[in-house]
Amino acid sequence: ETGVTQTPRHLVMGMTNKKSLKCEQHLGHNAMYWYKQSAKKPLELMFVYNFKEQTENNSVPSRFSPECPNSSHLFLHLHTLQPEDSALYLCASSQDSAYGYTFGSGTRLTVV
Amino acid sequence: SQKIEQNSEALNIQEGKTATLTCNYTNYSPAYLQWYRQDPGRGPVFLLLIRENEKEKRKERLKVTFDTTLKQSLFHITASQPADSATYLCALDSDNYGQNFVFGPGTRLSVLP
Repeated sequence: ETGVTQTPRHLVMGMTNKKSLKCEQHLGHNAMYWYKQSAKKPLELMFVYNFKEQTENNSVPSRFSPECPNSSHLFLHLHTLQPEDSALYLCASSQDSAYGYTFGSGTRLTVV
Repeated sequence: SQKIEQNSEALNIQEGKTATLTCNYTNYSPAYLQWYRQDPGRGPVFLLLIRENEKEKRKERLKVTFDTTLKQSLFHITASQPADSATYLCALDSDNYGQNFVFGPGTRLSVLP
């Protein structure tokens, strides 16, 4: 375990469903991130939270909605997704860039 | 436009040799550059960070160089082992404050016994 826990590990959802991805870190980090990793594409930064405040929204469609209730928890709420949204969704946290990001194992999302 | 490129999608080398991976970037001025290892179905694992004012950084069998003039970082694994087989990603801070890191596409390294 890396110290960043993501649930669920796998998720299959229909295009009309609403679901949420959860990320939890107990490393004392003050920044948390959502990244999307699609096949054959680099990791794409989606959202950044610093001290619970959203500081970056990288032109992500509104069908993805982040929530950061405290510095240890991060959610990604999903609704009316498209099949092309199928990907590995990775959560990461950091305290100081000198120590890099700590990633979770990801949620493998399949939209049918 | 901004771009991060890694030399090849896949690289095969013989066990015991030195693997050299390349990361080139365009239209960024990063203060930091990081290297990560990613195994299939897992999240990336942080390996090394190098700052813009550092030429070289080492950690055990790993060495990273950073040339801001060439806009390039090289990542070396010496005395490579089959256990080093993985995808290696470079990442740089897009905002020059060390916060928002963007990633290259990765190079899949296979070390053959």
